Amino acid sequence: QVQLQESGPGLVKPSETLSLTCAVSGYSISSGYYWGWIRQPPGKGLEWIGSIYHSGSSYYNPSLKSRVTISVDTSKNQFSLKLSSVTAADTAVYYCARQPVSQAAAGAVDYWGQGTLVTVSS
Amino acid sequence: EIVLTQSPGTLSLSPGERATLSCRASQSVSSNYLAWYQQKPGQAPRLLIYGASSRATGTPDRFSGSGSGTDFTLTVSRLEPEDFAVYYCQQYGSSLWTFGQGTKVEIK
Repeated sequence: QVQLQESGPGLVKPSETLSLTCAVSGYSISSGYYWGWIRQPPGKGLEWIGSIYHSGSSYYNPSLKSRVTISVDTSKNQFSLKLSSVTAADTAVYYCARQPVSQAAAGAVDYWGQGTLVTVSS
Repeated sequence: EIVLTQSPGTLSLSPGERATLSCRASQSVSSNYLAWYQQKPGQAPRLLIYGASSRATGTPDRFSGSGSGTDFTLTVSRLEPEDFAVYYCQQYGSSLWTFGQGTKVEIK
């Protein structure tokens, strides 16, 4: 059973960098798939942030690209998100996810973490 | 970047009724990389449909997806109490993923 678990600070100050990690169990990141981050501001819809392949190839939402870095650590079977220069508009539930692109359910998000709320406030 | 527009914003129906949700793309969605998700309060979204019409593992057969190109539909043939939730469409293309703004299906 594939499981994803987000971890990181729940409160970040404005202008600082938000950092989250997603630990994956039940599947080896090195075996394939894209691994991504998706966020949801309180009461609003879903926004894709970016995704990374186990080889390190990464893709980002054009609207966030200048502030986002996603990295992967295959030795720990985890991947991470850094979002710089945060403002209150970055307050959201952040989900990590598995994204097949050449397997069954290609193009979709087939496994999600439970989500973690990050609040940007001084 | 492909923009997805869902309609209606809110659908008020009774259990047992049929629900029809629409998702329109600003450009053609490649290879039918169109998916639908269900989200209940306090939970992560759950994949229902991928490839526009293929049910994900565990999706009841009262859920069906259809469409191609720029127009897609999610149909729930007979609403069960547990189906009242928010539904999102999502597309993948050119290494970018985008979501629609969601349709809330509420109890009338």
